[in-house]
Amino acid sequence: GQQVQQSPASLVLQEGENAELQCNFSSTATRLQWFYQHPGGRLVSLFYNPSGTKHTGRLTSTTVTNERRSSLHISSSQTTDSGTYFCAPDTNAYKVIFGKGTHLHVLP
Amino acid sequence: DPKIIQKPKYLVAVTGSEKILICEQYLGHNAMYWYRQSAKKPLEFMFSYSYQKLMDNQTASSRFQPQSSKKNHLDLQITALKPDDSATYFCASSQDLGNYAEQFFGPGTRLTVL
Repeated sequence: GQQVQQSPASLVLQEGENAELQCNFSSTATRLQWFYQHPGGRLVSLFYNPSGTKHTGRLTSTTVTNERRSSLHISSSQTTDSGTYFCAPDTNAYKVIFGKGTHLHVLP
Repeated sequence: DPKIIQKPKYLVAVTGSEKILICEQYLGHNAMYWYRQSAKKPLEFMFSYSYQKLMDNQTASSRFQPQSSKKNHLDLQITALKPDDSATYFCASSQDLGNYAEQFFGPGTRLTVL
């Protein structure tokens, strides 16, 4: 089955620094999402990005499908960016497989 | 307005009892899912439904039974509860099961089994 590796496992930044989160997966994915989980537990979809580059605000997602990798770039980090970021590719239409996540902590 | 409603938000149960977790979505989606997240395991897929039909089941135990009375409802019945069932259960939905179906998640039900 699909294996997902996210790196780094955890990251501590000073506010204003940039972050690059990586996601590598073992099988070709036709669907890939990045999620943010609030410290309180709420899951929010950041990007639906099976290929190419997408931007929203300070976030950029780049997926290279044939290399089975995706990245999430956070520019000018803020304390409110603290939380866990999950990459979730799939190999069939019925389910999404989550990585273990990158735990981000942004210090003021 | 919340588009995916999960009830209750918190649930405490005793070992051996039975509980039902409620999920309703008001996004007009045709596919719904259940996921589980515990301290010991990352987010893991449990079930997917499309037009009220079970499409995929990755839960080994028959103690977990989804129930879909309407297209926008997918409840989860858990019987003979065990402490290891303690987790946050997330409901999700997408327009369809197709390859371009972005999933949206509900706020979760945090279940504690004593």
